[in-house]
Amino acid sequence: DIEMTQSPSSLSASVGDRVTITCRSSENIERYLNWYQQKPGKAPKILIHEASTLKPGVPGRISASGSGTEFTLSISGLQPEDYGTYFCQQSSVTPVTFGQGTKLDIK
Amino acid sequence: QVRLQESGPGLVRPSGTLSLKCSVSGDSVSNFYWSWLRQSAARGLEWIGRIDLSGETYYRPSLRSRATISVDTPENQFSLTLTSVSAADTAMYFCAGVDPSASDLLHFDFWGQGILVTVSS
Repeated sequence: DIEMTQSPSSLSASVGDRVTITCRSSENIERYLNWYQQKPGKAPKILIHEASTLKPGVPGRISASGSGTEFTLSISGLQPEDYGTYFCQQSSVTPVTFGQGTKLDIK
Repeated sequence: QVRLQESGPGLVRPSGTLSLKCSVSGDSVSNFYWSWLRQSAARGLEWIGRIDLSGETYYRPSLRSRATISVDTPENQFSLTLTSVSAADTAMYFCAGVDPSASDLLHFDFWGQGILVTVSS
């Protein structure tokens, strides 16, 4: 299976800050990388697909980039509702696999 | 807007069979690719398998011998059966789907709220 590794595992930031989360894959997955946000007690919600394409309704302060084995998710102008755990997921091959998550707290 | 709702027993005995259903509203179950996933503290988010428009199924290799995903078109729902369960199968189970017109069919646009299944005697 392709292993997905996220860093950091957690971070705390203030409203208005910019944060960046990194996801690395153990194999080349081209641009088959998706990002999700999960809030406590809820299902994950997809934010980004194919490495950098925002899903409809996702605010423009969220951006993502990368290809191959290294990817980033950035949130600028952090808002209170941006808290939660962020997961990357590779969709290059089955079984699809997820990163372990990055928990974002808003100070 | 597609909505998904999981249902099934929250407690299953060891060596028993876990059976979950996912009810689809807002569109036809025949119009999407459907997956089951689970999440636990021990293993994180884990994809179990998928059924596509033709009924072809794909499973995580480690679960292939125990998992079955099927679609019930008249009831507008799809289901997961997992046999010979153990405590390691205790998890929050999610149903999820993707539009078949998507260029990448292995991501998840729609999710149910999840159902907690505990395997215990």
